Amino acid sequence: EIVLTQSPGTLSLSPGERATLSCRASQSVSSSYLSWYQQKPGQAPRLLIYGASSRATGIPDRFSGSGSGTDFTLTISRLEPEDFAVYYCQSRNTFGQGTKLEIK
Amino acid sequence: EEQLLESGGGLIQPGGSLRLSCAASGFTFSSYVMSWVRQAPGKGLEWVSGISASGGNTNYADSVKGRFTISRDNSKNTVYLQMNSLRAEDTAVYYCAKRRSNSWYVEIDYWGQGTLVTVSS
Repeated sequence: EIVLTQSPGTLSLSPGERATLSCRASQSVSSSYLSWYQQKPGQAPRLLIYGASSRATGIPDRFSGSGSGTDFTLTISRLEPEDFAVYYCQSRNTFGQGTKLEIK
Repeated sequence: EEQLLESGGGLIQPGGSLRLSCAASGFTFSSYVMSWVRQAPGKGLEWVSGISASGGNTNYADSVKGRFTISRDNSKNTVYLQMNSLRAEDTAVYYCAKRRSNSWYVEIDYWGQGTLVTVSS
């Protein structure tokens, strides 16, 4: 069974800064099945990125995904106040443990 | 607009049973794999179960296998999760989730608002 490890656990940044979130798989995964989600308190998750690098409908272009094999990255180019949330990666039926992006 | 509306959550004693329902609208329900994903209080996301578009195939997380049963009624655009022999560790918000195609493993593009199941005496 694949294990997805996200790092860091918590990332403290200021609005306008660049955020880089990592998702590492215990074995190689198909890029077709690597997704990223954003979750805000009290809300359901929202799909951001699928297929490792494709933005979901309505997702701003400051969000981008990259990577292959066992190492994947979600980048937020310039943080907006509404971007502070928890981010999860997913491959098939496995989720990472999440990265909390908090305001510094 | 695609919508998923869960119901059926609540407080239940250990060993009890509960059935969750998820009513779908705004898309061709019978064309998509549907899943249940849960989130324990303050914790991350855990996939629980999935069912094929036709309902003929199902799969489960090891943590619920043998206790939970997923089903769907395509005539009613509804997916269900029958939960038996509930344990304290099943306490979570349960989300109904739609896969983006009829593939088991593609991303989830729509989520319900979630229904809270609390297992406690």
